[in-house]
Amino acid sequence: SSELTQDPAVSVALGQTVRITCQGDSLRSYYASWYQQKPGQAPVLVIYGKNNRPSGIPDRFSGSSSGNTASLTITGAQAEDEADYYCNSRDSSGNLWVFGGGTKLTVL
Amino acid sequence: EVQLVESGGVVVQPGGSLRLSCAASGFTFDDYTMHWVRQAPGKGLEWVSLISWDGGSTYYADSVKGRFTISRDNSKNSLYLQMNSLRTEDTALYYCAKDGVDTAMDNWGQGTLVTVSS
Repeated sequence: SSELTQDPAVSVALGQTVRITCQGDSLRSYYASWYQQKPGQAPVLVIYGKNNRPSGIPDRFSGSSSGNTASLTITGAQAEDEADYYCNSRDSSGNLWVFGGGTKLTVL
Repeated sequence: EVQLVESGGVVVQPGGSLRLSCAASGFTFDDYTMHWVRQAPGKGLEWVSLISWDGGSTYYADSVKGRFTISRDNSKNSLYLQMNSLRTEDTALYYCAKDGVDTAMDNWGQGTLVTVSS
């Protein structure tokens, strides 16, 4: 299996742009998906595929990928974006899934 | 509206067994791969297992392989996780999740808590 590595914590000033990254060898072959989790709540899918947002996710959320790194960008972060963010992808075998360790986003 | 409702979480002793269930509604259940994902208290998400739409393919994380068995009953729109030889490190909130486009998990239940403790 492979691993996905995320920074444990990131902060951003209200209204500014923040990028959360996820690194792993399997990302050279597979897209990452991104999940937002607020305290006491189930995860919510925010980005999937090349750069797709499920219905209801604000367009300030976007995704990108280069080499072994996937990124989630929030353009104009809002207070309600403060949450834990997890990346997820298949492992190198393509049969198993793996999550990153999560990034705690603080909006200042 | 897609709904996933997990049940079956309880306190169980180390070495014990437990079966979790996930009742699905609001979508054509037998069209989709389903996942189990867990989250230990205060920790991150950990993928546990998946089962294909017809139950013909199943995969497991190394941490549970040989101890957990995923299954589904498409006639009942239900997903299951049989958990044997439970360990204290299996203590977690267990979520079921529906697989969607580009293999993203596009809908999640609220989870059911499993506590393994003597």
